[in-house]
Amino acid sequence: AQKVTQAQTEISVVEKEDVTLDCVYETRDTTYYLFWYKQPPSGELVFLIRRNSFDEQNEISGRYSWNFQKSTSSFNFTITASQVVDSAVYFCALRVSGYALNFGKGTSLLVTP
Amino acid sequence: GAVVSQHPSWVICKSGTSVKIECRSLDFQATTMFWYRQFPKQSLMLMATSNEGSKATYEQGVEKDKFLINHASLTLSTLTVTSAHPEDSSFYICSARDTRVYEQYFGPGTRLTVT
Repeated sequence: AQKVTQAQTEISVVEKEDVTLDCVYETRDTTYYLFWYKQPPSGELVFLIRRNSFDEQNEISGRYSWNFQKSTSSFNFTITASQVVDSAVYFCALRVSGYALNFGKGTSLLVTP
Repeated sequence: GAVVSQHPSWVICKSGTSVKIECRSLDFQATTMFWYRQFPKQSLMLMATSNEGSKATYEQGVEKDKFLINHASLTLSTLTVTSAHPEDSSFYICSARDTRVYEQYFGPGTRLTVT
C-alpha cells in the first residue's frame, strides 16, 4: 500500500525565516514518483516539483529546495527566506503504477510580515 | 501547453438536484482522467479513474450510482453528482493524463455547494 505522511499540520513563520516541510512516504514499488504541490486559497493546485525514485539528487529552484533521501523515505521541502506570498497549503504526493496521485494531508504554511 | 479546464468553476444547487462537472484537456489527448474530492481543510482523495470508452473505476466507499462518470472522448470527462445532498458539498478536482508523455495535469477545480 502507498502512503504519504505530512506530520506538520500547520506551520507559522515570520517573513524571511527559512522553513522546512516534511514528507515521509511508504511504498513497496521500486519505481515511483514524488511530487510537491502548492494550493493557495483559490484552490488551484500549483505544481512545484516531480522526482523519480532513481534520482536522489537534491534540487534547488530559487528559494525552493528539495531533499530526497531514499534511506529514510523522505522528500522534504525547504523554503529559504520565506515571503508572505508563500502562505498556502503544501501537499506532498506519491505516484506509482496507475498514475493516480496519493496525497499527504497537507501542511498549512502561514508567513506573517 | 498541457492545460486542463473545468466547468463550472463553482456551482450552487438545491438538495435533490443533479449537477454535471466537465473536465477538458485543451491541448492534448487524455485516455485517462482522474476525479478527486477535497473537503475543507482536508487532503485530496481519489474518487475514480475514468478511461475513455470504458466504465470508470471507483475507489472504495465512492457510490458509483451517485457519482456518474462519462469519458466519451479523448478530451472530455464528466462527473455528474446525482440527487445531491449538503454532504456532497466539496471541491472537485480532475486531472488528465497526457497519452504521449504519461504525465498528468490538474484542472482548477469546481466548488460545489448544495443547499
